[in-house]
Amino acid sequence: SQQGEEDPQALSIQEGENATMNCSYKTSINNLQWYRQNSGRGLVHLILIRSNEREKHSGRLRVTLDTSKKSSSLLITASRAADTASYFCATPPSGGYQKVTFGIGTKLQVIP
Amino acid sequence: DGGITQSPKYLFRKEGQNVTLSCEQNLNHDAMYWYRQDPGQGLRLIYYSQIVNDFQKGDIAEGYSVSREKKESFPLTVTSAQKNPTAFYLCASTPPGGPQYFGPGTRLLVL
Repeated sequence: SQQGEEDPQALSIQEGENATMNCSYKTSINNLQWYRQNSGRGLVHLILIRSNEREKHSGRLRVTLDTSKKSSSLLITASRAADTASYFCATPPSGGYQKVTFGIGTKLQVIP
Repeated sequence: DGGITQSPKYLFRKEGQNVTLSCEQNLNHDAMYWYRQDPGQGLRLIYYSQIVNDFQKGDIAEGYSVSREKKESFPLTVTSAQKNPTAFYLCASTPPGGPQYFGPGTRLLVL
């Protein structure tokens, strides 16, 4: 079973709009990671937010983490056509070894 | 794609044949992973290794085997026991407590 699950599974927006995608998980975590995958390519790490952090920014990306709700959100502001990709969250469990699991991703399409 | 390379980019397997996918990293990471990606199903963990000469099964290890004889290398063999091998295979490595660094992937097709 997947630890992290993204929502929605697909999202289509116009260029310039903001895109928000969510990730829910089941067990306690050390950190939560967001990745982007362009079609047919490997995943690229975007942001890592630790369990004691609530919000983190990187350029046009904003990630929030609510450990009480076991959820995270990724906001992409002022989207561009180049943001078209699939976005995944990953949740290494706290304690023990880093058996990282991924959700099925959110497929974002930004229409020029 | 960082310091991880995967080869080949495309691989064709004949019925009953074992094939090996290569994964090499120069990031000095102890932990390495193999994932399988099918359309609409995200990434599923096949095997992972946290140190040389040690590895553990992931969620879908049946029909696959790995070795970790060197820190830099974590090859994956898709055996003839894997009846549905067509997929995109991704290798990754990670530093302690850090994010994963992925290779460009290998697409395996069955002839």
